[in-house]
Amino acid sequence: EAQVTQNPRYLITVTGKKLTVTCSQNMNHEYMSWYRQDPGLGLRQIYYSMNVEVTDKGDVPEGYKVSRKEKRNFPLILESPSPNQTSLYFCASSLSPPGTTQFFGPGTRLTVL
Amino acid sequence: DAKTTQPNSMESNEEEPVHLPCNHSTISGTDYIHWYRQLPSQGPEYVIHGLTSNVNNRMASLAIAEDRKSSTLILHRATLRDAAVYYCILRDDSGGGADGLTFGKGTHLIIQP
Repeated sequence: EAQVTQNPRYLITVTGKKLTVTCSQNMNHEYMSWYRQDPGLGLRQIYYSMNVEVTDKGDVPEGYKVSRKEKRNFPLILESPSPNQTSLYFCASSLSPPGTTQFFGPGTRLTVL
Repeated sequence: DAKTTQPNSMESNEEEPVHLPCNHSTISGTDYIHWYRQLPSQGPEYVIHGLTSNVNNRMASLAIAEDRKSSTLILHRATLRDAAVYYCILRDDSGGGADGLTFGKGTHLIIQP
């Protein structure tokens, strides 16, 4: 089944404790991206990647890092999480260019205390 | 990308057609109209997209006004599983740009049994 998977689905952590949210897709898509969804603000793009070893900032990249060492994986790294990064995170993938249909993962709900 | 305006919420009865409107008076000639939906506790899901002509797929139909300043997503026979937030999104897909989708607040569709 074609899908985007994220892990963990739920995470509660404390300020400053480094964490990684994994994202993997099995559709051989070149383009992958991360969004965060907050009440009243909709979904906002954090980072995206056009292909392996190619990443770039989205609209709200501060406090996040990403890497794209393999085509199927696009982890989101929070080196020093803060409470304002408490949010619902979605990973998405598509064929390039990203104007084509984007497939979203099930989401990761992160709480930073 | 140009802005879209959607009603905050709409209510319909099960097994009846639903017409979800979207206004985009500042749409440019190269903007595609995309519709996504987000079911409760899930990631966004692609529904349909189009440029000028009306489009049909297994999920829905997209009716685009002749002047392209508005469009309507049509669910021909709504079921309880169609209860979701529906997002109308404009995106210039012509240049192969890497920016992501800009989600607004969408329309919360309520289906009554």
